[in-house]
Amino acid sequence: DTAVSQTPKYLVTQMGNDKSIKCEQNLGHDTMYWYKQDSKKFLKIMFSYNNKELIINETVPNRFSPKSPDKAHLNLHINSLELGDSAVYFCASSGQAYSTGELFFGEGSRLTVL
Amino acid sequence: QKEVEQNSGPLSVPEGAIASLNCTYSDRGSQSFFWYRQYSGKSPELIMSIYSNGDKEDGRFTAQLNKASQYVSLLIRDSQPSDSATYLCAVMTSSASKIIFGSGTRLSIRP
Repeated sequence: DTAVSQTPKYLVTQMGNDKSIKCEQNLGHDTMYWYKQDSKKFLKIMFSYNNKELIINETVPNRFSPKSPDKAHLNLHINSLELGDSAVYFCASSGQAYSTGELFFGEGSRLTVL
Repeated sequence: QKEVEQNSGPLSVPEGAIASLNCTYSDRGSQSFFWYRQYSGKSPELIMSIYSNGDKEDGRFTAQLNKASQYVSLLIRDSQPSDSATYLCAVMTSSASKIIFGSGTRLSIRP
């Protein structure tokens, strides 16, 4: 069983479109995260939810809107996609908000904006 | 200054040698430090965590922490081709509100 799963793994879309990425974890964790990894491998925190409540909201354009319907799911919707949004988006979870520092990552969703 | 800095590499090390990866961080109050390994096209996975000054050993891996110098390192002994990956240094902020990653060092073990 996959611990943290994301769909889709690949998205290729045109500028200006809207897209969503879904994430689910079956580890029973309370906290989930979205990280963005650019072409230089820099992994940057975007959002964090603890038990459905937003606890971290980094300086991210408001075109990005996360949603957590329950503590096992965290989705990311992106409006009006731009070229600079091309990256790999990783969902991750942890037992409690960073309690051990071990993040369990999904396989990533590679977004390409043309 | 970046919050967590690493040399991007690539670092090329012969098989069987010691690979040494370094990281500095800016938040002096940070207490928790981590090394993640990321194979090409894969997701990061935690390989070491360290919380106290000094060395922590786990198999072929040794993490070293010097809080006064704000410096963390990872040593890999008897390097194997399977160690070829990007190594990400990560630091939990002093407020424990988030984990900040460095941009990673690409390690290549040559036969």
